[in-house]
Amino acid sequence: AQKVTQAQTEISVVEKEDVTLDCVYETRDTTYYLFWYKQPPSGELVFLIRRNSFDEQNEISGRYSWNFQKSTSSFNFTITASQVVDSAVYFCALSPRNSGNTPLVFGKGTRLSVIA
Amino acid sequence: GAGVSQSPSNKVTEKGKDVELRCDPISGHTALYWYRQSLGQGLEFLIYFQGNSAPDKSGLPSDRFSAERTGGSVSTLTIQRTQQEDSAVYLCASSLAGSIRITGELFFGEGSRLTVL
Repeated sequence: AQKVTQAQTEISVVEKEDVTLDCVYETRDTTYYLFWYKQPPSGELVFLIRRNSFDEQNEISGRYSWNFQKSTSSFNFTITASQVVDSAVYFCALSPRNSGNTPLVFGKGTRLSVIA
Repeated sequence: GAGVSQSPSNKVTEKGKDVELRCDPISGHTALYWYRQSLGQGLEFLIYFQGNSAPDKSGLPSDRFSAERTGGSVSTLTIQRTQQEDSAVYLCASSLAGSIRITGELFFGEGSRLTVL
């Protein structure tokens, strides 16, 4: 079975703090893809990153960084020097199969509140 | 259009009534997905279309739910005899064929918020 667990339901930080959002996944597939999406108050999910299961290299994009560890089935997301505009619900997702446009399996999301 | 368009943005209905939710995907996107977002439940997959056919209907919660897609474009999600537990935000997303593994990106609409009284 495919499953994505985001254990943190809500996180609140003060502006400029660093924050890490956890994501743990389960899949029997040897090839899969992992994603992070951001849902701001407007409601529209915005794609942040996709990671291939073969590529465990960490990635950094500005204040965002992702730590993929296959050994622990985790794909954690860190925001450094958080800003109020980072306040949103963040979803981790898994694409479990190897062909076609299979639907993403999403976690329940983590609501991040950044306080000024 | 430039993005995925959903209508209505808000719908309030009485228990037992039927509702139709519409999704207009990005032009040229052959794959279309419906998800449901309930409070505290994350995104629940409902159905996926490739062109006009639905290879994966596994997420539809009951036979009161149905969806169709015509002309490889607009899709309608119909909920018959609505129940209070159907209250949620219904999100539509689209992508190019096979593109999840190339670009990884699903393009989402802003959703249709359904409230069943």
